[in-house]
Amino acid sequence: GQNIDQPTEMTATEGAIVQINCTYQTSGFNGLFWYQQHAGEAPTFLSYNVLDGLEEKGRFSSFLSRSKGYSYLLLKELQMKDSASYLCAVRDGSDYKLSFGAGTTVTVRA
Amino acid sequence: DGGITQSPKYLFRKEGQNVTLSCEQNLNHDAMYWYRQDPGQGLRLIYYSQIVNDFQKGDIAEGYSVSREKKESFPLTVTSAQKNPTAFYLCATYRDRGRETQYFGPGTRLLVL
Repeated sequence: GQNIDQPTEMTATEGAIVQINCTYQTSGFNGLFWYQQHAGEAPTFLSYNVLDGLEEKGRFSSFLSRSKGYSYLLLKELQMKDSASYLCAVRDGSDYKLSFGAGTTVTVRA
Repeated sequence: DGGITQSPKYLFRKEGQNVTLSCEQNLNHDAMYWYRQDPGQGLRLIYYSQIVNDFQKGDIAEGYSVSREKKESFPLTVTSAQKNPTAFYLCATYRDRGRETQYFGPGTRLLVL
């Protein structure tokens, strides 16, 4: 089975940096995804990591350590529009089934 | 426009009634999914299909049924056996060529009258 953990809530100030951690225990590993979801809307894709290391994409970066079962999403230069839920998801096998964490709600304050 | 279409945006179900949620895609992706999301929670997988005429149960398939007669379409029926159907339902596809990712439709919000 799957066990994907991420913090429930985080609060940060506009312009600051926030790091959202995700730990997972899966029977296999075939990629980790991060999504952003604003209230009442569908999730939108942020990043995909399948090899160890850091992937940078503008203000957002995602890191993966497969040996530790650990990933983080780093949000830099926070803006008010970054207030949303951030979902970590793992693809654990050769099929295309993803398992999602419960999500981390990030609140950005002025 | 390429993408995933879900209809309707809002759906009301009466007690004992079956309802069907539509999901159509023109992305030419083989795999399609249905997720359920309850307030303040993550996504839970109901059913998924990796190819036409084939589908597998997810973690919470009881009270739901699907079909995959065409690559572009993956409708979900919420049956009367699903006792707590009020939720946000999301359809998704998976791109496995190039940069892998899962795309989501806009969702259907189902409410019980």
